[in-house]
Amino acid sequence: SQQGEEDPQALSIQEGENATMNCSYKTSINNLQWYRQNSGRGLVHLILIRSNEREKHSGRLRVTLDTSKKSSSLLITASRAADTASYFCATDRDSGGSNYKLTFGKGTLLTVNP
Amino acid sequence: DAGVIQSPRHEVTEMGQEVTLRCKPISGHDYLFWYRQTMMRGLELLIYFNNNVPIDDSGMPEDRFSAKMPNASFSTLKIQPSEPRDSAVYFCASSSRQGQETQYFGPGTRLLVL
Repeated sequence: SQQGEEDPQALSIQEGENATMNCSYKTSINNLQWYRQNSGRGLVHLILIRSNEREKHSGRLRVTLDTSKKSSSLLITASRAADTASYFCATDRDSGGSNYKLTFGKGTLLTVNP
Repeated sequence: DAGVIQSPRHEVTEMGQEVTLRCKPISGHDYLFWYRQTMMRGLELLIYFNNNVPIDDSGMPEDRFSAKMPNASFSTLKIQPSEPRDSAVYFCASSSRQGQETQYFGPGTRLLVL
């Protein structure tokens, strides 16, 4: 079953605007990650947030995590045309030990119009 | 580092033929993952290895699929016989024990079974 599910499925904005994508998951996790996939390419890791963290920043990226609601959001500020891509959240499962398996959502397709 | 290398990048074959996909992980990485991506099912983990040993193959769809990792720098995913429903993009990813949560993806192999 799908552990992480992104919302919205697609988002279209103008360059310079902010883009917010959400992710919901079902089970307890150790950490949550966001990846980006450009068309025809592999996924690229963007940022990881651990279950005991609430917010994390990396450049123009801001990630929040609410474990009580089992949800996360990814904010991209001052978007650029080059940010056009699909964005995926990925979660592991808190199974009491090291867990290297990730479950990915189906992604949000972000289009940034110049 | 060259990153994760996959070959071939594109494969077109006829139903019933054997297909072999290849992957070279990043040097020094202990973990190797095989994923399949389709529009309908998103990104699915098929199998992963740790130190060349298969750890979890619960995602392998059926006996027609097999994966091997004869050494730390090479892995194969084989489909025999192939079927049209196997058409997808297959990704290989690797990670290290130190940065275990972050996975580095290859460019993928786009497989079309006619």
